[in-house]
Amino acid sequence: GAVVSQHPSRVICKSGTSVKIECRSLDFQATTMFWYRQFPKQSLMLMATSNEGSKATYEQGVEKDKFLINHASLTLSTLTVTSAHPEDSSFYICSATTGEIGYQPQHFGDGTRLSIL
Amino acid sequence: KQEVTQIPAALSVPEGENLVLNCSFTDSAIYNLQWFRQDPGKGLTSLLLIQSSQREQTSGRLNASLDKSSGRSTLYIAASQPGDSATYLCAPWADKLIFGTGTRLQVFP
Repeated sequence: GAVVSQHPSRVICKSGTSVKIECRSLDFQATTMFWYRQFPKQSLMLMATSNEGSKATYEQGVEKDKFLINHASLTLSTLTVTSAHPEDSSFYICSATTGEIGYQPQHFGDGTRLSIL
Repeated sequence: KQEVTQIPAALSVPEGENLVLNCSFTDSAIYNLQWFRQDPGKGLTSLLLIQSSQREQTSGRLNASLDKSSGRSTLYIAASQPGDSATYLCAPWADKLIFGTGTRLQVFP
């Protein structure tokens, strides 16, 4: 149980392109989803937290107009990297949890490797 | 600001050994702590979740302990196997998960 599917697993595209990443909870309803970014040799850093039907809460330093998050249902959240540039190349991972935050584990997707040329 | 340190950064052992992975965190005001494994180029697999009121959790060959007041958690892996090779991450939760940089484990036959 508690499977999170993330798609696509890898994206290579030109600078200026917008890229959408999907995160789905397959066998549970995710009241809260999280988006993380991981640069090589570094730890995961939280980008934003999204609750179904609400606007996402972004961490300090993360541009909300650059990284658009939509959490329209209890099983799907999307992250759109708008007008991506080479410095946005990174490993993006989503996670999902159900129930009260902080008392239930977070379950992670397999991540999306984004490479901007 | 919460800071998480994991020691050792890397570990290479023959299979069969019992292992100890250490995690320390600076802010003890946490609700829980989660241990994950990450395979190269992959997402995270949740291993154990310890609530702040608990002292330890066990799952199979894995046992995690938590000493919240001293800001420490330890992951014990019994009878290690080559399939245990991965990076192990600890992440305490206060208002969000804060990750350490992990312990990269290699278990060789």
